[in-house]
Amino acid sequence: AQSVTQLDSQVPVFEEAPVELRCNYSSSVSVYLFWYVQYPNQGLQLLLKYLSGSTLVESINGFEAEFNKSQTSFHLRKPSVHISDTAEYFCAVSESGGSNYKLTFGKGTLLTVNP
Amino acid sequence: GAGVSQSPSNKVTEKGKDVELRCDPISGHTALYWYRQSLGQGLEFLIYFQGNSAPDKSGLPSDRFSAERTGGSVSTLTIQRTQQEDSAVYLCASTKGGGSEQFFGPGTRLTVL
Repeated sequence: AQSVTQLDSQVPVFEEAPVELRCNYSSSVSVYLFWYVQYPNQGLQLLLKYLSGSTLVESINGFEAEFNKSQTSFHLRKPSVHISDTAEYFCAVSESGGSNYKLTFGKGTLLTVNP
Repeated sequence: GAGVSQSPSNKVTEKGKDVELRCDPISGHTALYWYRQSLGQGLEFLIYFQGNSAPDKSGLPSDRFSAERTGGSVSTLTIQRTQQEDSAVYLCASTKGGGSEQFFGPGTRLTVL
């Protein structure tokens, strides 16, 4: 079984400031890692994912996350946030070697970008 | 359609009634998942369908919950004798299979009075 911990339930920041949303996971098997974003009144969208290869993965809108196996972390970062980044962010894991790739989610971090 | 669709978008029901929630996955996607998003529990896996294989029902919270997938496409989640703690947003996701991206529908918001 896997579990995901998102340490911060809310993160308020000012526009153009850097941000880091923390995610730690626990698993006895190899995992795939994901960040999903949920904008106000919208559905879940995949932001970025780590399946294999380079441990640093990037999204098209400037977010990046780094898989750190030794620290079992997959923190999400952006060097300069915009008002439009205001949303709830969910870290998730799935077992990489099984047949059921069900996602185990963290509780979410609400990122609020203020002008 | 281009994405996963779910119906109804909102459902208000009285305690003790049965409800059916529908999910239309992306055409060609062989795997389908149901999740539940609630204030207290966050996002939880409910059930998984893959092709013609037996579904993984390990996430269903009680025997009042059941789901089926007909013809490898549309899925229906049924909740019998609804309780107030069933109030949540029920999300459906589909994928081509393997560890590829799960595409989520907009969800059905269920309110049990």
